[in-house]
Amino acid sequence: NAGVMQNPRHLVRRRGQEARLRCSPMKGHSHVYWYRQLPEEGLKFMVYLQKENIIDESGMPKERFSAEFPKEGPSILRIQQVVRGDSAAYFCASSSGTGYTGELFFGEGSRLTVL
Amino acid sequence: QKEVEQNSGPLSVPEGAIASLNCTYSDRGSQSFFWYRQYSGKSPELIMSIYSNGDKEDGRFTAQLNKASQYVSLLIRDSQPSDSATYLCAVNREGNNRLAFGKGNQVVVIP
Repeated sequence: NAGVMQNPRHLVRRRGQEARLRCSPMKGHSHVYWYRQLPEEGLKFMVYLQKENIIDESGMPKERFSAEFPKEGPSILRIQQVVRGDSAAYFCASSSGTGYTGELFFGEGSRLTVL
Repeated sequence: QKEVEQNSGPLSVPEGAIASLNCTYSDRGSQSFFWYRQYSGKSPELIMSIYSNGDKEDGRFTAQLNKASQYVSLLIRDSQPSDSATYLCAVNREGNNRLAFGKGNQVVVIP
C-alpha cells in the first residue's frame, strides 16, 4: 500500500458543506478506485477511473457525489451538501491496469466526519 | 443474497493456534479471490490472492478455494498477537474492475 497518497487524512464538515478528497496513485499506476467504508460495514466500491475517464461509476450515489481523475494532478472525490450519513472512511486504491487481476493497493484513507 | 458473505463473529484464538476464516460468494463467474488484512484505523493490505481451486500457502497463511461450493477460506497457522486484525474477503469477476468485499472477520490473538 506504500505510494498511494490520500489527503486529507481527517476531514470534518458541517451538514450542507462540501468535502473534497484527493488521491495520488502509486507511481506507475494509472487506474484509480474509490471505496467507502461505513462503520461496521465492509468496503463498498464507488467508482473506477483512468486518466480523464470514468470507467465504472456503478457504486456512486446518484446525487451529490462526483469523481474525476484529470490528466494532471490527483483524483478527486467530491461530495456536495454533505449529510451525517456520509460520515465514513473513503479509501482510494490504484493498479497498473496491465494484466489486471484484482490486486489493489490502498491508501491510508480519508476519514470524513459530518457534524 | 450478498455478493460476499463472512458470517462469523469475532474470533478469539490463543497464541500459537490456528485461526480459520470462511467466506462464501454468490457470483459463479467470479475468478479472483483475495484476503485483505485491516488493522484498526488503517487501510486494507493484501495478504493472499488465489485464482484456482485448491490450496495456496504463503508463510503462515493458507488460502483455500472451492469454486464448486463458492467458498474460500483463510488459515493462519501459529497465530501471533500481530495477527489481531479484521480480515476482509474480496472477490472479482473477470473483466470487472471492481472488488466485492465481505464485511470482514475480526481476529483476536490472545497471548
